[in-house]
Amino acid sequence: AQSVTQPDIHITVSEGASLELRCNYSYGATPYLFWYVQSPGQGLQLLLKYFSGDTLVQGIKGFEAEFKRSQSSFNLRKPSVHWSDAAEYFCAGEVEGGYQKVTFGTGTKLQVIP
Amino acid sequence: DAGVIQSPRHEVTEMGQEVTLRCKPISGHDYLFWYRQTMMRGLELLIYFNNNVPIDDSGMPEDRFSAKMPNASFSTLKIQPSEPRDSAVYFCASSRLYEQYFGPGTRLTVT
Repeated sequence: AQSVTQPDIHITVSEGASLELRCNYSYGATPYLFWYVQSPGQGLQLLLKYFSGDTLVQGIKGFEAEFKRSQSSFNLRKPSVHWSDAAEYFCAGEVEGGYQKVTFGTGTKLQVIP
Repeated sequence: DAGVIQSPRHEVTEMGQEVTLRCKPISGHDYLFWYRQTMMRGLELLIYFNNNVPIDDSGMPEDRFSAKMPNASFSTLKIQPSEPRDSAVYFCASSRLYEQYFGPGTRLTVT
């Protein structure tokens, strides 16, 4: 079945430390993949997307993600976390044949400590 | 661009009352999605439209829920009658080429 999985419900990192949020996908072919961020009281905001081509994609706010077919992963990274990055992060993938429908992971809540 | 606009931002109503949530998508976007988010169930897709036509309403929980998109710039989600378990944040999103842009949401509380 087409799905994305975020194995970490909650992650805590220190400000200035590097960050990696995990996302695994289960698809027959190479899917379109996305990362979204949701700050408290806000809607989801698109951080970056992968459709094809270069497996390392750059997004807004200094985030990047790497598509690894061999590991069925699309992990989100940031070299140095800022306190304002505290939010919930959602990985999402297209639903094949779903007319631009996407399926969202359950989210990873990021806490940033001073 | 003003982004996706939703109204009201907060709605408090009593059980049994009709609730109407409104959404104005981004101009030029041809898909519109309605989601519901709760702590227990996360983000759920309720229904979505392509060029104002409903494509998939399998996520609509019950007949109490209905959605319309009379034109490319307006959509409504109606709950009639409302129940306490409908309390949630309801998001509208619009997209073009798979990139979904979310509105700020409507926080619905049914007492």
